[in-house]
Amino acid sequence: ETGVTQTPRHLVMGMTNKKSLKCEQHLGHNAMYWYKQSAKKPLELMFVYSLEERVENNSVPSRFSPECPNSSHLFLHLHTLQPEDSALYLCASSQESKGVSTDTQYFGPGTRLTVL
Amino acid sequence: AQKVTQAQTEISVVEKEDVTLDCVYETRDTTYYLFWYKQPPSGELVFLIRRNSFDEQNEISGRYSWNFQKSTSSFNFTITASQVVDSAVYFCALRITLGSQGNLIFGKGTKLSVKP
Repeated sequence: ETGVTQTPRHLVMGMTNKKSLKCEQHLGHNAMYWYKQSAKKPLELMFVYSLEERVENNSVPSRFSPECPNSSHLFLHLHTLQPEDSALYLCASSQESKGVSTDTQYFGPGTRLTVL
Repeated sequence: AQKVTQAQTEISVVEKEDVTLDCVYETRDTTYYLFWYKQPPSGELVFLIRRNSFDEQNEISGRYSWNFQKSTSSFNFTITASQVVDSAVYFCALRITLGSQGNLIFGKGTKLSVKP
């Protein structure tokens, strides 16, 4: 495997389900990201794990919960989602230096999530 | 505040035509990076180019070229002799370097359709 991989590629879930999205990067990077892409809205950064620190967008609802067990793996745990959470969820990774964000983010293929 | 504007929502051209995608950015920072990504129907964001704010040299890569002008805060992207495979949504993005915690500011994207 090369680059950034995401599983599953497609997911349909009910509002009461619990599911997880998985992302793995094979680039040796030290930062990983979750983005949400809804129809007709700009790409929205949800969470960042960079240099072992987690940063989040305060507007992200608590029904989304990230987990980053190591620098190569990133999860997004989903529970009691709403239909408006249906979107493409993109994972990205980059190589960061302390205090200075310079490097390019490389993206995975995304998980297309549909909440019924 | 940081902002990226892609005023062209959709562009349709016929194969072999040249096409320019516009990008205008706003930032008060003197050090920043600009990016272009391509998103084909498969969903993955493909990195195309990164420029830093101190390098205004135009760049050419095959049929792709980029025109960075700080005086007008623009970073336009031109595809020469377009092909059907160029059909995708193209995103321009801005990243400031200090304390941004990895935050890429994306434009809303321009959907390019190249017809045979």
